[in-house]
Amino acid sequence: QSALTQPPSASGSLGQSVTISCTGASSDVGGVSWYQQHPGKAPKLMIYEVTKRPSGVPDRFSGSKSGNTASLTVSGLQAEDEADYYCSSYVGSNKFLFGGGTNLTVL
Amino acid sequence: EVQLVQSGAELKKPGESLRISCKGSGYSFVTHWITWVRQMPGRGLEWMGTIDPGESYTNPSPSFQGHVTISADKSITTAYLQWSSLKASDTAMYYCARLSPTTRALDVWGQGTTVTVSS
Repeated sequence: QSALTQPPSASGSLGQSVTISCTGASSDVGGVSWYQQHPGKAPKLMIYEVTKRPSGVPDRFSGSKSGNTASLTVSGLQAEDEADYYCSSYVGSNKFLFGGGTNLTVL
Repeated sequence: EVQLVQSGAELKKPGESLRISCKGSGYSFVTHWITWVRQMPGRGLEWMGTIDPGESYTNPSPSFQGHVTISADKSITTAYLQWSSLKASDTAMYYCARLSPTTRALDVWGQGTTVTVSS
């Protein structure tokens, strides 16, 4: 089965930018979405269709894709951005893949 | 307000059966598939399966097929996740989430149901 690979951890200082990668088969990253999860909370959709933000998500969050790697960039890091981030891909027939998750620390 | 509200925490013994629920409101329940996601303690998200609440057609993950049953009752806008014989390894948080038919993203999530299986 295909897999989405994320780094287990990432960090950045307040106000700086950090990018989290998600690597998989090129067909799997074509429609990637990103989810934020704070400890003890349900995941929240942050990015869909690689680059689009749902209403209410700050524009500090952006998505991109190059080849078989999708990326989530958080600019102007704030303390509340510290969370786990998961990429996910819809792979057809209402089936999904999730990446292993990246724990983002704001220094 | 669009929301998914899940049933409360459960404490069960190995071998017992269990059904947890996910009630949708504020939108057309039959036009949005429901997905179940498992999160074991300290671990990541795992896709368990998806159901079309309108037709009760399911797409289970091969990793969970045969161990859990996904169902829905559109008359009460509720989806279910069911076990006939729980194992200690089923201890986890379980989330339901709504699949947007246009974006193919999980755009609304339930608050989660904690299931603890212990003798």
